[in-house]
Amino acid sequence: AQKVTQAQTEISVVEKEDVTLDCVYETRDTTYYLFWYKQPPSGELVFLIRRNSFDEQNEISGRYSWNFQKSTSSFNFTITASQVVDSAVYFCALRGLGDYKLSFGAGTTVTVRA
Amino acid sequence: DTGVSQDPRHKITKRGQNVTFRCDPISEHNRLYWYRQTLGQGPEFLTYFQNEAQLEKSRLLSDRFSAERPKGSFSTLEIQRTEQGDSAMYLCASSLGTGSSYEQYFGPGTRLTVT
Repeated sequence: AQKVTQAQTEISVVEKEDVTLDCVYETRDTTYYLFWYKQPPSGELVFLIRRNSFDEQNEISGRYSWNFQKSTSSFNFTITASQVVDSAVYFCALRGLGDYKLSFGAGTTVTVRA
Repeated sequence: DTGVSQDPRHKITKRGQNVTFRCDPISEHNRLYWYRQTLGQGPEFLTYFQNEAQLEKSRLLSDRFSAERPKGSFSTLEIQRTEQGDSAMYLCASSLGTGSSYEQYFGPGTRLTVT
């Protein structure tokens, strides 16, 4: 069984602050895939990134960066210089090799205040 | 717009009524998924289609729920004899075929309220 834990329920920051979202996962699969999705107030889940378990290289995309550490089963997400438009619920998700469904964490609500 | 679309966006129904939701996936995607999301929680998997074949169903999908994808294109999710506990956002997603690494793209969801 796959399990994803996002311990932070809500994070509130002032614009331009950095914010890091934690994600810890459990799986028995040796090959698996990790994802981050953003859900703005409109409700639609927006895909942000996929990371394969055999690729531990960290990634940066604009103001977003991801830190994957297999040794601690963590896949953390940092928004640098946050903006009001970053306000949303962010979900971490996991899928095992050969599996089809995503297992989501409970989400972290990020509020960026002007 | 070539993304995943869902209809209706909102549905209010009385307990005991039947409801049906539709999902149109991205056209070249042969995999289609249904999830349910309740307030304050992440989406939970309901069922999955590859083309027209329903390959997996969650135990969350009671016998009051049925999903179809008759021609491997759009899908419908029907809930019979709705209960207040069925109130949730129903999300549809689609992805490309043969590998398991392909990301799922979600539609805007159908918010169901059962009164």
